Amino acid sequence: AQRVTQPEKLLSVFKGAPVELKCNYSYSGSPELFWYVQYSRQRLQLLLRHISRESIKGFTADLNKGETSFHLKKPFAQEEDSAMYYCSGTYKYIFGTGTRLKVLA
Amino acid sequence: ETGVTQSPTHLIKTRGQQVTLRCSSQSGHNTVSWYQQALGQGPQFIFQYYREEENGRGNFPPRFSGLQFPNYSSELNVNALELDDSALYLCASSKANRGNNYGYTFGSGTRLTVV
Repeated sequence: AQRVTQPEKLLSVFKGAPVELKCNYSYSGSPELFWYVQYSRQRLQLLLRHISRESIKGFTADLNKGETSFHLKKPFAQEEDSAMYYCSGTYKYIFGTGTRLKVLA
Repeated sequence: ETGVTQSPTHLIKTRGQQVTLRCSSQSGHNTVSWYQQALGQGPQFIFQYYREEENGRGNFPPRFSGLQFPNYSSELNVNALELDDSALYLCASSKANRGNNYGYTFGSGTRLTVV
C-alpha cells in the first residue's frame, strides 16, 4: 500500500541548530513528493516539490530512492520556522501525519 | 490572483443529515482535491476532480460524493452524517495534468461538527 510516514510528532531544536524532518514513503512507482508547512493560524501551504530541486526559506529536501526517503533539512533553524510540517506523496495524494517543529530561543 | 476559497467556514449538523461544502479553486487551476483532517491528524485524501471527472478516490464510503463544475469550482456532499464525520474539510486546487501534480494551494477549510 502507498504510504507516507513521518516518524516524529514533535521535533524541538535550538535556534541556529540544524534541522532534519524525516519522511519515508512506500510506493512502487516513481514518486512525486512534496513538503507542506502550516504556520500558526494559517492555511497549509506548499513549501517544496522534489521535482524542482529548489531551496525555499533555506530548506532543501532530496529524494533518496534507495532509502525511500525525502527528508527536509535546514542548516540553521530560525524561530520563525516553528510550524507543522507535512510530507506528501502524489499517488492518491497521501499526507503524512505531520511533525511539529519547535525552534527554541 | 485569487486563492482557494471555501464556504461555509463553520457548520453544525445533526447525525443523519446531509451537508454540502463548496470550494472555489485558484484562478488557472483545473484540479480540485478534497481532504478530511481530524484533530491531530494529517489530511486524509477523499477524492480528486480533474476537468469535471473524478480522478482518484481515497478510502471513504460512497456517501461522500463530489462534483466539479466547468469553472473548476467544486462541491463535497456528505449524506447520512455520522458523528465521526466531524472534522476540518480542506479543499486544494492545483494546475495539473493526469499523473503530474505541481503542488496544491489549500483553502482555509470548513469545520464540520456533527452532533
